[in-house]
Amino acid sequence: NAGVTQTPKFRILKIGQSMTLQCTQDMNHNYMYWYRQDPGMGLKLIYYSVGAGITDKGEVPNGYNVSRSTTEDFPLRLELAAPSQTSVYFCASSYSWATSNQPQHFGDGTRLSIL
Amino acid sequence: GQQVMQIPQYQHVQEGEDFTTYCNSSTTLSNIQWYKQRPGGHPVFLIQLVKSGEVKKQKRLTFQFGEAKKNSSLHITATQTTDVGTYFCAGDQTGANNLFFGTGTRLTVIP
Repeated sequence: NAGVTQTPKFRILKIGQSMTLQCTQDMNHNYMYWYRQDPGMGLKLIYYSVGAGITDKGEVPNGYNVSRSTTEDFPLRLELAAPSQTSVYFCASSYSWATSNQPQHFGDGTRLSIL
Repeated sequence: GQQVMQIPQYQHVQEGEDFTTYCNSSTTLSNIQWYKQRPGGHPVFLIQLVKSGEVKKQKRLTFQFGEAKKNSSLHITATQTTDVGTYFCAGDQTGANNLFFGTGTRLTVIP
């Protein structure tokens, strides 16, 4: 079972470059999320989606964009990469919102360094 | 805005000792989830608590949700080396769409 798959696993970018972090899930989950985790810190929600065609901002959306054209895919776009975006990025999915007693399933993460 | 704090930030215990991490929210939560993240890994869901005063057990782990639904705790009895990792609580405010993760407690178990 693949679950939540993130690519790439590692990436080094130069300041000002752009890239897309890919996330796909094969569990037919309607909810998907993007988090960033800075070293030794907790998870901060960047963007989330409650279904195809619907996205919304989380706690730290600045500098990022997302799209949700299909149920399976939820790519995260970084435009004009900055050193402050050096972090580990996790994608997660769930059947529905947390209040419905469904856990979030996380991918293995993308370790991104901006130099 | 909503904040979820955890204490302690770090905890070192001898194998066999007990361990407790506490989670406190600035606002009332509709529910709280607990996750474990092994070093270099991703968060893995452990449990969700919904009811005020709820207590749930998973083998050596005991989870509790406060009466006011603003705090929670995770207690591990007789720690083992396999318990090593960072434990996160995560909660959401009633009516909100964001799940806020706590700062985490990193547990080290000394054999």
